[in-house]
Amino acid sequence: EVQLVESGGGLVQPGGSLRLSCSASGFTFSSYAMHWVRQAPGKGLEYVSAISSNGGSTYYADSVKGRFTISRDNSKNTLYLQMSSLRAEDTAVYYCVKPHIPVWVSLYYFDYWGQGTLVTVSS
Amino acid sequence: DIVMTQTPLSLSVTPGQPASISCKSSQSLLHSDGKTYLYWYLQKPGQSPQLLIYEVSNRFSGVPDRFSGSGSGTDFTLKISRVEAEDVGVYYCMQSIHPLTFGGGTKVEIK
Repeated sequence: EVQLVESGGGLVQPGGSLRLSCSASGFTFSSYAMHWVRQAPGKGLEYVSAISSNGGSTYYADSVKGRFTISRDNSKNTLYLQMSSLRAEDTAVYYCVKPHIPVWVSLYYFDYWGQGTLVTVSS
Repeated sequence: DIVMTQTPLSLSVTPGQPASISCKSSQSLLHSDGKTYLYWYLQKPGQSPQLLIYEVSNRFSGVPDRFSGSGSGTDFTLKISRVEAEDVGVYYCMQSIHPLTFGGGTKVEIK
């Protein structure tokens, strides 16, 4: 059974940093690109970042480019999102998501989502 | 980036009655491989989104047949033939021609 379990969320002050983790199981993690999607409270879904299966390629939405860094450790089946220079508008539930096929950014859907971890940026 | 526009913003439906949600994309979602990369998700209250429909009209595993998707190019529709109480939540369309984008969501509630 595929499982994605996020952790690392919490309350952080504006300008601060936080690292999210996503522990994956039930599939060959090292074969799949992985993604982060976020949802601000009461708002819709926003595609944030992606990383290729070997970590060699990354994608960032303009809203987080230069502030967030996605990475992965295939030996630990874990995906990360390092967030820095956090702003109030980064407050959201962050979901780790798996594409249905092991391709790089395009032409897939997300078949599994984690339960999400809440990041609150506030003083 | 492709902009996805959903209407209506919200829908209040009597159980057993049909419901319809529209999703329009700013560019055609028809790929050169002949497939159209449009999907529908439902996010039930307090849950993560779950896939309902992939590639316009294909129901995902376990999705009841009261859900159907249709459309082409830039105009798409999700229909629920007979709404049930368990169908409440927010419905999102999504396209996956890079970069992936979501519609703003349509909240469905029961009258």
